[in-house]
Amino acid sequence: AQSVTQLGSHVSVSEGALVLLRCNYSSSVPPYLFWYVQYPNQGLQLLLKYTTGATLVKGINGFEAEFKKSETSFHLTKPSAHMSDAAEYFCAVDAGGTSYGKLTFGQGTILTVHP
Amino acid sequence: NAGVTQTPKFQVLKTGQSMTLQCAQDMNHEYMSWYRQDPGMGLRLIHYSVGAGITDQGEVPNGYNVSRSTTEDFPLRLLSAAPSQTSVYFCASSSPGQFTNTEAFFGQGTRLTVV
Repeated sequence: AQSVTQLGSHVSVSEGALVLLRCNYSSSVPPYLFWYVQYPNQGLQLLLKYTTGATLVKGINGFEAEFKKSETSFHLTKPSAHMSDAAEYFCAVDAGGTSYGKLTFGQGTILTVHP
Repeated sequence: NAGVTQTPKFQVLKTGQSMTLQCAQDMNHEYMSWYRQDPGMGLRLIHYSVGAGITDQGEVPNGYNVSRSTTEDFPLRLLSAAPSQTSVYFCASSSPGQFTNTEAFFGQGTRLTVV
């Protein structure tokens, strides 16, 4: 069974500061990894994904994440936070194969950006 | 291109009532899923379908029923609503590609309150 742990249910940063949202996963097979963002009262929007190939993945809005197999991690970063980044962020894992399409989500991290 | 459309957006039910949450996608995706989102728990998979006529249970299937008669539609039925089913429900669709699978596309959600 897969599991996803997001360290920190709330993260607060100042505008212009580094954003680091942590995600660790457990999976018996090389997974597909995703970060989604959810703005208030909205659905989930894909930020970025790792399937195969380059382990450093760039997404929308200046976010990027690095797949580290040895650490089973897929942390999300952004060099400089903007007020518009305030939202809830979800890390998700898809084991692929016969389990493709069945996402396991972390608990979510609410990002607050202070002026 | 509408993507994934969920109706209704909001619903209040009395305990014991039944209802159907509708989900339709226009991307010709084979895979469709239903998730529920509860505070601090991320999203959890309720039911899942890999194509018309094929469904499977997810992590939290009790109290819910699904069927898939067409590629486009995947309704979720609450048989006898309970307060524990108060949640936000999301429908998602995705497609296994030849070289890389697509990410899941989400609807805007249905906020259900059971009183």
